[in-house]
Amino acid sequence: GESVGLHLPTLSVQEGDNSIINCAYSNSASDYFIWYKQESGKGPQFIIDIRSNMDKRQGQRVTVLLNKTVKHLSLQIAATQPGDSAVYFCAENIGGSYIPTFGRGTSLIVHP
Amino acid sequence: EPEVTQTPSHQVTQMGQEVILRCVPISNHLYFYWYRQILGQKVEFLVSFYNNEISEKSEIFDDQFSVERPDGSNFTLKIRSTKLEDSAMYFCASNRLAGDNEQFFGPGTRLTVL
Repeated sequence: GESVGLHLPTLSVQEGDNSIINCAYSNSASDYFIWYKQESGKGPQFIIDIRSNMDKRQGQRVTVLLNKTVKHLSLQIAATQPGDSAVYFCAENIGGSYIPTFGRGTSLIVHP
Repeated sequence: EPEVTQTPSHQVTQMGQEVILRCVPISNHLYFYWYRQILGQKVEFLVSFYNNEISEKSEIFDDQFSVERPDGSNFTLKIRSTKLEDSAMYFCASNRLAGDNEQFFGPGTRLTVL
């Protein structure tokens, strides 16, 4: 998993498995959360977001879960593919700000 | 699909020199941002820009930094006197509305200060 301020962890999975990437946040005033994907040599790419009044949101093959009680956010990727290999960042918008505060990221490696 | 572009992809400069990093945001976007990412570290916010003025900036964005929208398409970041610790990837981003939280990022410029 990943937590703002810690070292970059790595998650290795086999193609077709489900992946779960975790993120802890510390600011109770965070009201909006975003997951970004960053492939090698590219800028961050928006994947999915969730507002603090929700606990789950689903996209195409991705689900974000938010547990405000323990300040935990996760990104679930179903049927992981080699093209999902990238660094995944969680980011939080604090107190209505439009500026995301990024975590350090988790490197996902998908083995064919 | 429209995208944010940045030039150059890699800039090498000597310490103390001025650099200008260039970005072309998506054409109908009104809000522009610069971020930096030191190798292996978090993406850090530098500055946001709207209606030809800075709307928000971080502590990193000191007097050595400036931004400009010199024409209707370009958005630039200038570092007046580069330091070794300015070496990083610099990302430009844009979005259409401030409340539209999805920011679209460019591919970045790698700045190396020697």
